[in-house]
Amino acid sequence: EDQVTQSPEALRLQEGESSSLNCSYTVSGLRGLFWYRQDPGKGPEFLFTLYSAGEEKEKERLKATLTKKESFLHITAPKPEDSATYLCAVQAPAGGSYIPTFGRGTSLIVHP
Amino acid sequence: DTGVSQDPRHKITKRGQNVTFRCDPISEHNRLYWYRQTLGQGPEFLTYFQNEAQLEKSRLLSDRFSAERPKGSFSTLEIQRTEQGDSAMYLCASSLTDGLAYEQYFGPGTRLTVT
Repeated sequence: EDQVTQSPEALRLQEGESSSLNCSYTVSGLRGLFWYRQDPGKGPEFLFTLYSAGEEKEKERLKATLTKKESFLHITAPKPEDSATYLCAVQAPAGGSYIPTFGRGTSLIVHP
Repeated sequence: DTGVSQDPRHKITKRGQNVTFRCDPISEHNRLYWYRQTLGQGPEFLTYFQNEAQLEKSRLLSDRFSAERPKGSFSTLEIQRTEQGDSAMYLCASSLTDGLAYEQYFGPGTRLTVT
């Protein structure tokens, strides 16, 4: 069965302290790996799609990378407004439906 | 605004009552998904539509849950005889199906509390 595991479950950083979040996956035939940001009480907000190993994408202080087994979301010099839960999801042809499977997320708190 | 919208945003109901939620997807998106999310968990797939056809339902989806997308535009999710375990955030998302990966765009969610 496909699995998506995110680590750590929670991360506390000081403002400006860079770090990385991990998403490891076990799927056959990955079509895409997605990163989302979710603020409390709101729906997930799309950040990135990665398609193949070696690919990187950046947006402001965030950079997502992908290998054959995992993805990293690097946060450079975070600010308090980066505090949120970051979700990873993978899309693979399970049963032909390509329904994304989500991890449990990493809750990030950035202290000023 | 052309994002995904959901109504209501919050619903409090008594156990045993029926509730219905509505989702309006991004207009050009042909796929619409329903998810359920509880605290500390990622979104859990419930069902999805491609245009007006309901193509898949999660094995976890009780018979008390039903969803429709009658004209391939908005969708409704109904929960009959609600139970306290149904309390959760219900999320709707939409996507296109062209391209290699189907990026989903989520609505703000409907928070259901069953008392």
